[in-house]
Amino acid sequence: DQQVKQNSPSLSVQEGRISILNCDYTNSMFDYFLWYKKYPAEGPTFLISISSIKDKNEDGRFTVFLNKSAKHLSLHIVPSQPGDSAVYFCAASARGQTGANNLFFGTGTRLTVIP
Amino acid sequence: EAGVTQFPSHSVIEKGQTVTLRCDPISGHDNLYWYRRVMGKEIKFLLHFVKESKQDESGMPNNRFLAERTGGTYSTLKVQPAELEDSGVYFCASSQSTGASGAFFGQGTRLTVV
Repeated sequence: DQQVKQNSPSLSVQEGRISILNCDYTNSMFDYFLWYKKYPAEGPTFLISISSIKDKNEDGRFTVFLNKSAKHLSLHIVPSQPGDSAVYFCAASARGQTGANNLFFGTGTRLTVIP
Repeated sequence: EAGVTQFPSHSVIEKGQTVTLRCDPISGHDNLYWYRRVMGKEIKFLLHFVKESKQDESGMPNNRFLAERTGGTYSTLKVQPAELEDSGVYFCASSQSTGASGAFFGQGTRLTVV
């Protein structure tokens, strides 16, 4: 059963506007969350992460919000740029298991930023 | 510095045949991971090497899959015999530490079993 869910397979946003990508999880043991970005014919690239002791982490145009009670996290990109067009994967790992072998990924959301 | 490199980029084989995928990690990275993404689904962990030793192979789907990492350098993932459900993109990643944020992924090998 899938423990990390990205229910929107695709999202289109105008350049300059905000992109919001959503992710839900079911395992209450998850306490470390990551977002990866993937361009066609390339592997996923780590983008930003958040630990469950925080509810927000910001890195430039990228901010991840975590709502533990709702088991929901989101990635905000402001302002969106055409180069942000890619597939974004949400991933999670359980308490104390932050290794790359313990990641549970979502199915990805394809973001298209329209110039 | 070269990144994680995977060969081939694409392989099409018939059901019952054997295929070997190769991964060259970033030099000096002791940790090497294999993942698989079946069409439209999530990326799933297959196994983890630390140097030449298998640290965690809990994600390997069955005994048709064999991974090796001779001398702790490059790794191979052999599928024998291949089945239709093995089709997908196989990613390799490497890292110096075991932290997930420090793992660098290769471009993947797209395997199609017909």
